[in-house]
Amino acid sequence: SQQGEEDPQALSIQEGENATMNCSYKTSINNLQWYRQNSGRGLVHLILIRSNEREKHSGRLRVTLDTSKKSSSLLITASRAADTASYFCATDAGNSGGSNYKLTFGKGTLLTVNP
Amino acid sequence: DAGVIQSPRHEVTEMGQEVTLRCKPISGHNSLFWYRQTMMRGLELLIYFNNNVPIDDSGMPEDRFSAKMPNASFSTLKIQPSEPRDSAVYFCASSLGQGTWYEQYFGPGTRLTVT
Repeated sequence: SQQGEEDPQALSIQEGENATMNCSYKTSINNLQWYRQNSGRGLVHLILIRSNEREKHSGRLRVTLDTSKKSSSLLITASRAADTASYFCATDAGNSGGSNYKLTFGKGTLLTVNP
Repeated sequence: DAGVIQSPRHEVTEMGQEVTLRCKPISGHNSLFWYRQTMMRGLELLIYFNNNVPIDDSGMPEDRFSAKMPNASFSTLKIQPSEPRDSAVYFCASSLGQGTWYEQYFGPGTRLTVT
């Protein structure tokens, strides 16, 4: 089963509003990453948060991690039309010691920011 | 840097034909990943190379799929014979090192349609 599952599957907001996306996973992790995918393009890395971190910021992005609840959230503040994309969380949850290269991606949240 | 380069960007072929997808990773990166993305299954890791050596091919769906990395700057994913269910977007990604704390850089993908 998918280790990282995003919620909601789709989110539509107005420009200037904040967007929050959530990710849940099933087993322990070393780190969790968020990626963005614009339509017809490859994924682009946004931010990585380690298991011993609770919050991380990068520009208008804020990521939180709650390892007790096995969940993470991505907040985009003051959204812009250009933020329209799919957002994926990726975890190394479930990796055994020899497979520390493998990321498991969720199916993503499709964010639409209306001008 | 040009980023990860993939070719072709689009491929339409008939069932039973051989398909070869190509990838040039970012110079200096020693890890290379091939992924397949579909609406139903999301993003799946097919095969992982480290220093040109295949480390994990457990995601390769069938013997019809094969991948090579003859040198640090080139990799191919071959499907022979192709089937309609192979229709998907195939991504190549590279990273600076082995380990999930390294950011993965994705290429633009190859959209494969098998009729």
